[in-house]
Amino acid sequence: GQQLNQSPQSMFIQEGEDVSMNCTSSSIFNTWLWYKQDPGEGPVLLIALYKAGELTSNGRLTAQFGITRKDSFLNISASIPSDVGIYFCAGPDAGGTSYGKLTFGQGTILTVHP
Amino acid sequence: SAVISQKPSRDICQRGTSLTIQCQVDSQVTMMFWYRQQPGQSLTLIATANQGSEATYESGFVIDKFPISRPNLTFSTLTVSNMSPEDSSIYLCSVEGTADNYGYTFGSGTRLTVV
Repeated sequence: GQQLNQSPQSMFIQEGEDVSMNCTSSSIFNTWLWYKQDPGEGPVLLIALYKAGELTSNGRLTAQFGITRKDSFLNISASIPSDVGIYFCAGPDAGGTSYGKLTFGQGTILTVHP
Repeated sequence: SAVISQKPSRDICQRGTSLTIQCQVDSQVTMMFWYRQQPGQSLTLIATANQGSEATYESGFVIDKFPISRPNLTFSTLTVSNMSPEDSSIYLCSVEGTADNYGYTFGSGTRLTVV
C-alpha cells in the first residue's frame, strides 16, 4: 500500500522560532492534508492541498503541495506554546472512490519551550 | 464540516472482554471510517463502514475481532472483541468527504486500555 515518510520525528524549539516539517511518498498523491493532534483529541485538519505546486496559508501555517505530487511541507512561523502537539501529513487512497480513506505519515512531535 | 460525537472517551477493560465504541454524526454520510492509533504511533485504517452493506476491512484486521455496525447514515459502532493488552490504543472514527471538500473530520477518539 501507499506509504508516507514524514520528518523530522520530533522537534524541540524555542517560542518564536519557525518550524518546518515535510512528507514524501514513493507514489503520487492527488491531495495532501496536514493535521494536528492534541493530547486526548482526534486529529484536526489544518490545511488541505489539492493541486501540484499549490501554496496555502492558514494564519501562521503555510503548506505546499510539491510539483512532483510526491511531497509536501508544512511551515509554522513564530511558534507559540499552543503549537505543541503531533503533526501528521496524510493523503487519500489513490485510485479509489473514497474521499475519506487516508494514509498517514508517522507524525512529527513538536515541543515549544517558552 | 460534520460534527462527530464518539463515546466512550476512554475505558479500562479486562482482557477477554469486549468493548463497543459508538460514533454519531450530525449529518448523513455514506461512508464512515474506523482508525486505530497505537501508543506513540500514527493512525491506521481498520475498516470502512457503509450503510446497508458489510464493512470493508483493511489487511490485518478481521470482522471477528472488530465487528462493525452501520444501521443508518448517521451512526456506526466498532466492537473490539476478546481484548488483549495489545489492543490498547486510541480508536477513532472519521467520515467521508466529497471531491471538493474531503470532510476529513475525526471524532475525539476512544482511549482503550486493556489490563
